[in-house]
Amino acid sequence: QSVLTQPPSVSGAPGQRVTISCTGSSSSIGTNYDVHWYQHLPGTAPKLLIYGNNNRPSGVPDRFSGSKSGTSASLAITGLQAEDEADYYCQSYDSTLTASGVFGGGTKLTVL
Amino acid sequence: QVQLVQSGAEVKKPGASVKLSCKTSGYTFSKYYMHWVRQAPGQGLEWMGIINPSGGSTSSAQKFQGRVTMTRDTSTSTVYMEVSSLRSEDTAVYYCARGRAEFDSWGQGTLVTVSS
Repeated sequence: QSVLTQPPSVSGAPGQRVTISCTGSSSSIGTNYDVHWYQHLPGTAPKLLIYGNNNRPSGVPDRFSGSKSGTSASLAITGLQAEDEADYYCQSYDSTLTASGVFGGGTKLTVL
Repeated sequence: QVQLVQSGAEVKKPGASVKLSCKTSGYTFSKYYMHWVRQAPGQGLEWMGIINPSGGSTSSAQKFQGRVTMTRDTSTSTVYMEVSSLRSEDTAVYYCARGRAEFDSWGQGTLVTVSS
């Protein structure tokens, strides 16, 4: 059971917009820890998609955006493309676990 | 460019230990923490621990305390993680990942299979 809660799956048609939620608690996201997002394709290393709640590393398309409010965060993907089909993970820290890193359980995005 | 190159796949028997390596290049080794993350088959990502390459201090997830040892060699810019008392549930791909808060560069992963 993950400290951060994500929906197991989301789906959308090409061109559509989807969002993936990440719910934490007062000891994790709510304690001012930033939220980061990763895209993970099978057989490859995870890739940093969003850092510091809403910042994109160089090379990440602006179709990807992040937000955070209270004890939750969201990843939004607009203009869905077939290549976006992957697993997405949110990541933060938890102060009750000696500031341990924590991940969400992951969300499988299917492009219909 | 930043590179994290991990050691090759391992097959171990239950109860044994495994020591994984992550050799870095392309940046100042001492300036970035290194994390270890694993993914068991069909499961999500799991944070295991962190090492500060500068002073060598470490912190691991409660679940792994007492079983995981992280070290570094500043002369070769390499970090290591040893996992002891392996059990079948430790079968996973293990990643090293560079970062302070977010993990901006990852190794290619090392598959560890624990089987009798």
